[in-house]
Amino acid sequence: DVKVTQSSRYLVKRTGEKVFLECVQDMDHENMFWYRQDPGLGLRLIYFSYDVKMKEKGDIPEGYSVSREKKERFSLILESASTNQTSMYLCASSPSPGTSLYNEQFFGPGTRLTVL
Amino acid sequence: AQSVAQPEDQVNVAEGNPLTVKCTYSVSGNPYLFWYVQYPNRGLQFLLKYITGDNLVKGSYGFEAEFNKSQTSFHLKKPSALVSDSALYFCAVRDPETGGGNKLTFGTGTQLKVEL
Repeated sequence: DVKVTQSSRYLVKRTGEKVFLECVQDMDHENMFWYRQDPGLGLRLIYFSYDVKMKEKGDIPEGYSVSREKKERFSLILESASTNQTSMYLCASSPSPGTSLYNEQFFGPGTRLTVL
Repeated sequence: AQSVAQPEDQVNVAEGNPLTVKCTYSVSGNPYLFWYVQYPNRGLQFLLKYITGDNLVKGSYGFEAEFNKSQTSFHLKKPSALVSDSALYFCAVRDPETGGGNKLTFGTGTQLKVEL
């Protein structure tokens, strides 16, 4: 089974802190994604990466950056956390084109971040 | 641009009755469509997908969905609901013409509540 793990289930930070959210997948997937989930807004894509050191902005990248130094790891960075970044953050991965599971995304359990 | 609408925030159904969770989509080309389920404090789990072929797609836990191109819909159905089906359901779409990284656009989610 594909396993996507996220470093923390719950995180509490203060306004202005630099926050790192880590995501690791164990299935050698090319593509990785960061979403935030808010009630009534569904999942919104923040950033995604289709290869090591490659990244593209999603729909709501402002206030976030990402890092992908190794294929299995995709980090989301909040340079200076703000209260409006309090949310559930979900990481996902999917394999490369040509594989039978290419069109599916596999999700981690989520990190609920609270910024005070 | 691709988009998804889930017109109902919540659906209530009695156990044993059939259930339907609605989804409509908008893409420029032929869509890839997905349903995911989220149980409390968990990440999203894949239920089923439509890529091509038979309009009726069967998935996990007895769920199925029907692709209707003329109505641009992909409603999720189950003949007999269980209390354990109570969860948050997300519809998602991908326009394969847009290329690049398997980006999905998610709906806002529908909370399904199955009562005894």
